[in-house]
This record gives sequence, C-alpha cells and structure tokens, in this order.
Amino acid sequence: GAVVSQHPSRVICKSGTSVKIECRSLDFQATTMFWYRQFPKQSLMLMATSNEGSKATYEQGVEKDKFLINHASLTLSTLTVTSAHPEDSSFYICSAAGQGALYTFGSGTRLTVV
Amino acid sequence: DAKTTQPNSMESNEEEPVHLPCNHSTISGTDYIHWYRQLPSQGPEYVIHGLTSNVNNRMASLAIAEDRKSSTLILHRATLRDAAVYYCILRGSDTGNQFYFGTGTSLTVIP
Repeated sequence: GAVVSQHPSRVICKSGTSVKIECRSLDFQATTMFWYRQFPKQSLMLMATSNEGSKATYEQGVEKDKFLINHASLTLSTLTVTSAHPEDSSFYICSAAGQGALYTFGSGTRLTVV
Repeated sequence: DAKTTQPNSMESNEEEPVHLPCNHSTISGTDYIHWYRQLPSQGPEYVIHGLTSNVNNRMASLAIAEDRKSSTLILHRATLRDAAVYYCILRGSDTGNQFYFGTGTSLTVIP
C-alpha cells in the first residue's frame, strides 16, 4: 500500500527559531499534499493544501508567512514553522494523495517550542 | 467545515461486533464517505470508503443508508488493537477533495 514518511517524529526548538518538517510519499507520486495540526484531545485541523509546483492554499486563519509550505516535487512537501513560539507547539500531520493512491497520512511530528 | 456528526465515545466488549454510526445529512451526490482511525500520537489510518453501495474489506464493513444521509462502520470482532478514535469524513469535489475532520468517535474496547 501507499506509504507516507514524515520526519522528524519529534522536535524541540527554542522560541524564535524555525523548524522544517518533511513529508515524503515513498511509493507513489503525490500530486496533492495536505498539512494538518492537532492539539491535545482535539481533532485534526486542515492548515493548507498544496499541489505540486503550485503555491499552497491556506485555510482561513492560518498565517501563510508563518507556516511556509513547499511542494517542489511529486514526492516531497515541507512545512516550515517560522519564528516558532510556544503556542505553535502541536502535533503536525501531513497527508498525500495521488493517482491510484488513497489519502495516506504520515505518522506525525510532535513540535515542542520552549 | 466538517459535515459529519458522530457520537463522542463508544464502548465495546472484546470479540463482539461494533457499529459506529455517522450522520451526514448534507451529503452531496458526488461525496465519498471515508473512515479513518487514529491511535494516540499517530497519523490517521485508512479503514474503508464508499460512495453508494455497502463495502467490505479485511478491516471492516461500511453500510451506507439508501438515502446516503448516514452510514455505519462495522467492526465484526473488536480487538484491543481496535481501540482508537474513528473519523467519518466526506470527500467531494466541491470541497477541493480535502478532508475536514469532525470530532470522531473514541472507541474503548473492554477486555
């Protein structure tokens, strides 16, 4: 089946620094990738949708200058949390969709900003 | 944006069937019904999906009401490993084929 690899699984960073999270589709071409954020005991919230080679589309209320998304190839998308603050601490999850591949989720990245 | 309603929590005894309901009264004709489940600190895992007809796979069965305004995920014999949050999600072209998660149902399996 389709596999999506997400790294790192956990990251701790200092307030004010930037963190990059990678999402790779290992055995299919992901024409579309999605990024979600999940706070403790809450559901997943869609942050943005990115199509390969195009600018990401952000959901209302999500700051595009703070959460930079790059989807430069059919197998890789990255989310960079810029100038991270403690309130950005969350569980970030990517999902990928492609021809013949069901929506597949990565294993998530636990970000802690101290 | 979530267009589905599920009970917050359910319990089941181990090795008994579980029926997880989902209401989606505003479903459109082209919306697919997807079910995913999520274990703590993990990404959601695909369970099953369908459009109009009932569906079966090795994990579960999906029963879709005739008017498509509700569906039921059926786990035939619950195991402890089935304890998770189950999400029922509609995916349609009018929402850009995106997934908007609702609150899901937290399933507890009692040994």
